[in-house]
Amino acid sequence: AQSVAQPEDQVNVAEGNPLTVKCTYSVSGNPYLFWYVQYPNRGLQFLLKYITGDNLVKGSYGFEAEFNKSQTSFHLKKPSALVSDSALYFCAVSFTGGGNKLTFGTGTQLKVEL
Amino acid sequence: GAGVSQSPSNKVTEKGKDVELRCDPISGHTALYWYRQSLGQGLEFLIYFQGNSAPDKSGLPSDRFSAERTGGSVSTLTIQRTQQEDSAVYLCASSSGPTRSSYEQYFGPGTRLTVT
Repeated sequence: AQSVAQPEDQVNVAEGNPLTVKCTYSVSGNPYLFWYVQYPNRGLQFLLKYITGDNLVKGSYGFEAEFNKSQTSFHLKKPSALVSDSALYFCAVSFTGGGNKLTFGTGTQLKVEL
Repeated sequence: GAGVSQSPSNKVTEKGKDVELRCDPISGHTALYWYRQSLGQGLEFLIYFQGNSAPDKSGLPSDRFSAERTGGSVSTLTIQRTQQEDSAVYLCASSSGPTRSSYEQYFGPGTRLTVT
């Protein structure tokens, strides 16, 4: 079975500082990893994905994520946080042979303060 | 272009009633998914349609839940004899491409279902 862990319920960071939102995963095949963001009363918005190739992937709004196979991690990062980045972030995984359904982590609330 | 749309945006129903939730995927997307988001269970997969293939129903929590997709486009999720534990936000998503799980899914705004 596949699973995703987001160990932090909430991350607080000052505007202008770098941010990291952690994600680890467990799958039985090659993983496909995704990050989504959810603003209040909105659906999920796709940020970025790792399928294969370069371990550092870049996505929307200046976000990037690093795939680390040995640590089974896919942490989300941004060099300089903005107050407007405050939202709920979800990591998700699917894998080859596992069907197309996504398994999500429990979400991390990011709060960026002035 | 237009994204995934869902209706209604909010639905309040009495326990024991049936409800229907509608999803219009992005035009041309062959895959359609339903998920449920609730405080206690987080985001859960419910059902997945891909083209004319038999749907993957492995996430449906009980036989009170069913879904259909007509003409390869619009989908309806039906919950019969609703229970209070069915209260949640029901999210629909679609993706392009064949049966490859590497394609990102695009989500609608959701339907908030409240069972009283």
